[in-house]
Amino acid sequence: EDKVVQSPLSLVVHEGDTVTLNCSYEVTNFRSLLWYKQEKKAPTFLFMLTSSGIEKKSGRLSSILDKKELFSILNITATQTGDSAVYLCAARFSGNTPLVFGKGTRLSVIA
Amino acid sequence: DVKVTQSSRYLVKRTGEKVFLECVQDMDHENMFWYRQDPGLGLRLIYFSYDVKMKEKGDIPEGYSVSREKKERFSLILESASTNQTSMYLCASSLRQGSTEAFFGQGTRLTVV
Repeated sequence: EDKVVQSPLSLVVHEGDTVTLNCSYEVTNFRSLLWYKQEKKAPTFLFMLTSSGIEKKSGRLSSILDKKELFSILNITATQTGDSAVYLCAARFSGNTPLVFGKGTRLSVIA
Repeated sequence: DVKVTQSSRYLVKRTGEKVFLECVQDMDHENMFWYRQDPGLGLRLIYFSYDVKMKEKGDIPEGYSVSREKKERFSLILESASTNQTSMYLCASSLRQGSTEAFFGQGTRLTVV
């Protein structure tokens, strides 16, 4: 069965800290891995990763994929209270198939 | 700006009622999905559709049905609402071809009393 596992499930950090969120997957015929940020409403897209070792970066957020070890990490540097959210990882396998989501990591950034 | 719109943000229904959750997208996407999200369980796929009048069961279809009569609209139906269907419901859409992201609606928080 295809599955996506995120860790930790929740995390509390202070402003300015750097955090690393983990996502491992067991997906047959893997095609891509996606990260979303969810505040109190719709998940919003952050990154899509398809190739190993190529870092995607957006401001203080970055992500990388390791297709050999079947995992991805999402890094957030110099965290701010506005980074507080649930971060969702999802994997897609080949063909026109729905995303398989992990349970999410709830990040709380305190001042 | 791409948009997926769910008809209600909050909904309270009684046990046994038939409930309709509507989702409309304006991006001409072929694929549409319904998920429910519960604490500790993440997003779980209920049903999805690749095209008009097509539907596929997801991981937890029991107690639900769907309708896709037009490309832009995907409806989730709770035939007889039960308290264990109290949840956040999220609709999403995506293009059929290629590795693309899914776009989500704002969610409907349904409470069944």
